[in-house]
Amino acid sequence: QVQLVQSGAEVAKPGASVKVSCKASEYTFNNYFIHWVRQAPGQGLEWMGSIKPPWANTNYAQKFQGRVIMSIDTSTSTVYMELGILRSEDTAIYYCARELGSPDYWGQGTLVTVSS
Amino acid sequence: QAGLTQPPSVSTDLRQTATVTCNGNSNNIGFQGAVWLQQHQGHPPKLLSYRNGNRPSGISERFSAFRSGNTASLTITGLQPEDEADYYCTAWDSSLNAWVFGGGTKLTVL
Repeated sequence: QVQLVQSGAEVAKPGASVKVSCKASEYTFNNYFIHWVRQAPGQGLEWMGSIKPPWANTNYAQKFQGRVIMSIDTSTSTVYMELGILRSEDTAIYYCARELGSPDYWGQGTLVTVSS
Repeated sequence: QAGLTQPPSVSTDLRQTATVTCNGNSNNIGFQGAVWLQQHQGHPPKLLSYRNGNRPSGISERFSAFRSGNTASLTITGLQPEDEADYYCTAWDSSLNAWVFGGGTKLTVL
């Protein structure tokens, strides 16, 4: 069945960057958008942006523009989300989700902890 | 970015009916409808209803999604203990060119 498998937990220092991966399988990778959504501890869901294979057209939330880069490796059906200039408020679980009208499959989430 | 508005919490008795509302505007819910997600503690969100209100395969008939104008609602009938979770609405906002989320509603089954 459709799977989105994300990379493992990360710990990063303030000011550094982190790169999270999301490997897709069991569906036609190029047909769906991949979105990134994050959830701070005890908080709600926050949309960060999306990317569309195969040409990697991106759409970033205004809040993250200049700090986030989403990319694709079509050879491995993997999407990457890199967030830079990290601050403590970026500590959250980061999810990828597949979408073509509705976000129907989600990755398991990647905990990113920003701490000195 | 402006989001959708949900009540922070809803409490309803076991085997009764709960309704969660989600208010948006003509650029989001009124434009293309809303999607509902369920999230249990420690788990990723799970799709409960598509934008058109249909349920994905495997989702119980007890979950029904509706839209009236700029407001979406999720109704859960015959509440079960496992329905206790956080519920989120989300929609594409055509003016922001972004997904917007509701703040989430914590459903408690009494």
